[in-house]
Formats: sequence, structure tokens, C-alpha cells
Amino acid sequence: DSGVTQTPKHLITATGQRVTLRCSPRSGDLSVYWYQQSLDQGLQFLIQYYNGEERAKGNILERFSAQQFPDLHSELNLSSLELGDSALYFCASSAEGSHDEQFFGPGTRLTVL
Amino acid sequence: GENVEQHPSTLSVQEGDSAVIKCTYSDSASNYFPWYKQELGKRPQLIIDIRSNVGEKKDQRIAVTLNKTAKHFSLHITETQPEDSAVYFCAASDPGGTSYGKLTFGQGTILTVHP
Repeated sequence: DSGVTQTPKHLITATGQRVTLRCSPRSGDLSVYWYQQSLDQGLQFLIQYYNGEERAKGNILERFSAQQFPDLHSELNLSSLELGDSALYFCASSAEGSHDEQFFGPGTRLTVL
Repeated sequence: GENVEQHPSTLSVQEGDSAVIKCTYSDSASNYFPWYKQELGKRPQLIIDIRSNVGEKKDQRIAVTLNKTAKHFSLHITETQPEDSAVYFCAASDPGGTSYGKLTFGQGTILTVHP
């Protein structure tokens, strides 16, 4: 157990819908990263937050957004869902956000029908 | 941006043999290289990492080597066991640069250890 929690574990929804994935970092960690894992694209970095502020952006679609709250949990919002958005979504946390190891949560498996 | 290439994509060994997985990276500023093990349907687990101020790091049966000049790093697993079977990912990061620690991953290696 890494200490990073994610909910829900599974999510099944229809195209065009909107979902919210939630992540709680390890106690004391200030930085949260979101990654998408699909069969054909591997693990892709989406976005990073550090102590409530966006710090780095990767290949994140405009239909996706995220935020980190004062209690440091983070939410990833996916809207206008398409079949191709089906994937495993992981969040990871690290202590300071730059020079520290990243520990991954159990992931949310999103299926878009 | 950073690009990480990982080889081989699949690796099959007999129990007790050694396994080696190699990665190359493109950004010479990268200086942090973790390796993750991922079992089917589970989260990636950090198994070992290396920073650019060292050339080799060992942890029991696992070792990682880094060649900054050639921009490649490798994972070595000795005395493999069936429970080592999983997908292994290498990654690279430039924590001090504008990437702020985001990891760029290789495509993964499916390791199968036959009893």
C-alpha cells in the first residue's frame, strides 16, 4: 500500500458524459501527478499540482481539467467523454514535487461505452 | 521534450536466470531515473531508482546502472523468481527543470519467469 488513495476504483459511463476522479496523496505530500495508462499509449503524464497550484502540464486534452484543494486532495474532471478515453487513470504523489520519489495510487479504471 | 525508449518489449527467462532491460533517453538534463514494476491491473510500484551523480545502485537482487554520456540506463535482475513476472517500466525526469519532476515513461517490458 503506497498511502495514495483513489476513488472510485471502477467507473463505467457513456459517451458524452462527465466524470470526476478523486485522489488523496500520502500524508505530508504536497505534489500530485495524474497519469493516463492505455494499452496503445503506455503511461502518459497529464498534469501536476503542487500545494494547490498547477505546476506542469503534459498531454492533457482540453476536455480534461484538474484541481488540488486546500486539504491537498486532487480531482481530475473528464468531460464530453469519448470511447478513446477508456483507460486506467493513476495519480501519484511526492513530498516536494521535484526531487522526490513518486508513489502511485491504485488507479481508477474508466470504461466509456 | 523527453523521449524514453525501452527494450525489449517482452522478455522470457527461466527461473534462476538473470534479466536485463535497457532504456535510452533523449534529454541530457534528465537526472532522475526510476524503475517501476506493475502487475496486471495494479498500480506501478517503485522498485529502484538512480540519480545522475551515481553510476550504479543495488538492492538485493535488483541493480540499476546509468551511463550519462551514452544516455542509457539498465535494470538488472539476478536469480529471477516466478514472482518477478510483471511489466517493468523505466522513466526519466528532470526534477530541476521546467518539467518539475514529471516522469516520461518507456513503453514497458513484459517479463515472464518460467519455473
